[in-house]
Amino acid sequence: QVQLQQSGPGLVKPSQTLSLTCAISGDSVSSNSAAWNWIRQSPSRGLEWLGRTYYRSKWYNDYAVSVKSRITINPDTSKNQFSLQLNSVTPEDTAVYYCARGPPPFYMYSSSWYWFDPWGQGTLVTVSS
Amino acid sequence: DIVMTQSPDSLAVSLGERATINCKSSQSVLYSSNNKNYLAWYQQKPGQPPKLLIYWASTRESGVPDRFSGSGSGTDFTLTISSLQAEDVAVYYCQQYYSTPSFGPGTKVDIK
Repeated sequence: QVQLQQSGPGLVKPSQTLSLTCAISGDSVSSNSAAWNWIRQSPSRGLEWLGRTYYRSKWYNDYAVSVKSRITINPDTSKNQFSLQLNSVTPEDTAVYYCARGPPPFYMYSSSWYWFDPWGQGTLVTVSS
Repeated sequence: DIVMTQSPDSLAVSLGERATINCKSSQSVLYSSNNKNYLAWYQQKPGQPPKLLIYWASTRESGVPDRFSGSGSGTDFTLTISSLQAEDVAVYYCQQYYSTPSFGPGTKVDIK
């Protein structure tokens, strides 16, 4: 079955870049039947979808409006993983960050969006000096 | 953006009794062309990521016990645990995927 293993620092200074990686086993980051997502969870904002990457003859990305100017999600086919970079972080970005798999756009019923399953184990990232 | 709300915030139910969680979307998540409701439910236990229980509002994910069921259409949805077990203590979230995904605030379920 598909498993996702997250890695990355748990402490980031304000104004710096948050970087996390999600390693995939049991599937391929280049799969035509998957999209690879980042979601975060905090007491103040709840569960918040941040963005996704997926492959359909070429790579596509979708990002949440709330972070669009600061976020980059990149696939790494050589390591079968994908990454999250969030620039110019503030204490408001303190959260548990999750990676998650979901069906890609138009996989079924002409939908652009779907559910998330499975999820990575989560990484608590604290933004503090 | 579609805003999701849930009620109650928390509930305590005796073992073996029914637990009912409500979820409401700020606009309909029923896609008329395929008659599908774009809604999922998750269970999250302390220190764990959310686990998918139900999608398309009522389709149970493989391996999920049949005491979990989802119902509703349009803007109003319900997750029912027909006979609460100790291992069902968790926070439950709904999520719409009719547009850019958004989640409800969660409902905490405890044992009375």
